[in-house]
Amino acid sequence: EAGVTQFPSHSVIEKGQTVTLRCDPISGHDNLYWYRRVMGKEIKFLLHFVKESKQDESGMPNNRFLAERTGGTYSTLKVQPAELEDSGVYFCASSWGETQYFGPGTRLLVL
Amino acid sequence: QKEVEQNSGPLSVPEGAIASLNCTYSDRGSQSFFWYRQYSGKSPELIMSIYSNGDKEDGRFTAQLNKASQYVSLLIRDSQPSDSATYLCAVPLMDTGRRALTFGSGTRLQVQP
Repeated sequence: EAGVTQFPSHSVIEKGQTVTLRCDPISGHDNLYWYRRVMGKEIKFLLHFVKESKQDESGMPNNRFLAERTGGTYSTLKVQPAELEDSGVYFCASSWGETQYFGPGTRLLVL
Repeated sequence: QKEVEQNSGPLSVPEGAIASLNCTYSDRGSQSFFWYRQYSGKSPELIMSIYSNGDKEDGRFTAQLNKASQYVSLLIRDSQPSDSATYLCAVPLMDTGRRALTFGSGTRLQVQP
């Protein structure tokens, strides 16, 4: 069974540019989560989809972040415009029940 | 007080010893608890989940839960150098109303050969 996949693995962009991260969850998992770890801090929740609906986006830092989940399958997280403090590792996780399985993460560096 | 708290370590143990990792959480209503292992530069990997008070064993790993004390621990028996990683305690906090996990900062374990 394929695990959670994320693309790209790394992204280096300049402040003010736009970046789009993609997550493909495990097939059949209705729940999809985005998390972020910035340098020196713990992993923090961003938002939660159930199928194509946003169940909880209380962790989104500001309106520069936009997440979508097309047809309840893969999800994208767009950062526009990117700021220096957006640098970190963005993880996606999916679940059918309570147990969440994590993808390898996208390492974002904003210069 | 942090919502999920762990000692950041590093915790250094010799090969073959028992490593004991601890976690406390703020929400008395929390019902499920997870331990993830994360190697440097890799994704968190689920090691154990526990839902009831007491011990749960899986191979060399034992999770212990005490809801009255709001405390969950992970014991690793016969520690191996390959166990060297950061161990993350994660809890869906009921008082947030979320199913999402709240993570501790992680404890870095070093197993010395």
